[in-house]
Amino acid sequence: AQSVTQPDIHITVSEGASLELRCNYSYGATPYLFWYVQSPGQGLQLLLKYFSGDTLVQGIKGFEAEFKRSQSSFNLRKPSVHWSDAAEYFCAVTYSGAGSYQLTFGKGTKLSVIP
Amino acid sequence: DTAVSQTPKYLVTQMGNDKSIKCEQNLGHDTMYWYKQDSKKFLKIMFSYNNKELIINETVPNRFSPKSPDKAHLNLHINSLELGDSAVYFCASMSGTYGYTFGSGTRLTVV
Repeated sequence: AQSVTQPDIHITVSEGASLELRCNYSYGATPYLFWYVQSPGQGLQLLLKYFSGDTLVQGIKGFEAEFKRSQSSFNLRKPSVHWSDAAEYFCAVTYSGAGSYQLTFGKGTKLSVIP
Repeated sequence: DTAVSQTPKYLVTQMGNDKSIKCEQNLGHDTMYWYKQDSKKFLKIMFSYNNKELIINETVPNRFSPKSPDKAHLNLHINSLELGDSAVYFCASMSGTYGYTFGSGTRLTVV
């Protein structure tokens, strides 16, 4: 069964510092990978997604992610964090053979930003 | 116009009651989902529908019954509510190219 691991439950960074959130996925087929952000009390907003092609993907709000097949990873990065980036971040995966293409989510990483 | 809308946004009810959450999408997508987000923020698929037909029914108690009257609507009915049903429920739809759109969620509190 497909699964997603986000090893960091909670990360705290200072405003202006760089950020990397880790995500590892399981399964042998070609994954379709996503990062979502959820602010408190809000729904899910798509930051970026990877299907194929260039393994470095650019998203909204200055985020990028790199797909590394050899490491089964899809880590999210941002060079300079803003206080408004404080939120919960979810990595998700689906596959072309995954039934109805439902997303499987990691357990999330909570990002706190120190002003 | 909201692409995926859920009503109500908040729902507080007593144990044993029956309640429904409605979801409508105006994107013309064929596939719709219900996800449950528990108190630890973990999101898990509950149901998946494609063109009004049930595709996936994860290990969800049969007190939960989805209903899709047409491909734009996927409602969730819950019988005999239990304390453990308290969660945020998200409806979502998907375009043919893995474009997922989520609703803003329904926070269900069972007291």
